[in-house]
Amino acid sequence: GENVEQHPSTLSVQEGDSAVIKCTYSDSASNYFPWYKQELGKRPQLIIDIRSNVGEKKDQRIAVTLNKTAKHFSLHITETQPEDSAVYFCAASGSYQLTFGKGTKLSVIP
Amino acid sequence: DSGVTQTPKHLITATGQRVTLRCSPRSGDLSVYWYQQSLDQGLQFLIQYYNGEERAKGNILERFSAQQFPDLHSELNLSSLELGDSALYFCASSVDEGFNQPQHFGDGTRLSIL
Repeated sequence: GENVEQHPSTLSVQEGDSAVIKCTYSDSASNYFPWYKQELGKRPQLIIDIRSNVGEKKDQRIAVTLNKTAKHFSLHITETQPEDSAVYFCAASGSYQLTFGKGTKLSVIP
Repeated sequence: DSGVTQTPKHLITATGQRVTLRCSPRSGDLSVYWYQQSLDQGLQFLIQYYNGEERAKGNILERFSAQQFPDLHSELNLSSLELGDSALYFCASSVDEGFNQPQHFGDGTRLSIL
């Protein structure tokens, strides 16, 4: 089955700096890669997604890049703000399920 | 608000008991997915239903079962509960059957086994 590795597990940045979270996946047939943000005690919330026919996608301060050859994808958050503090999960869709990484706890220090 | 409704928000019960978690998908969504989230295992896919039919199974224990009703709401039944079943259980929904589309999560049910 699909295996998704996510790094780092924790990340602290100063407010205004950029944050990068990286994921790798194992199943070359995976073709959809969403990112979720989960604040403490709340539901995972879809923040951006990318499909395998696209290399990069941006939405305001958030961008995702995908390298199909290397089987890795990354989340980039620019101009971080305290409200960006949360746990971020990457995921990859195989044939039979959506597999999640173990999450990155992002702390933005004011 | 994602439009996915889960009840109850919290459940406290004892080992050996049985509970039922309920989920109503977003209006128009035909697929329902169940996930278990624990501290050490992250988000684990349990099972998917599409338009009333089971479509995919993940790491779901035999003690757990689910169904989707004609009105598209779904129930997850957990029986012979063990301490290790304590977790957050999320339901998500999507428009179609495939996994390559956005899934929208409900607020979850926190299950505590004493």
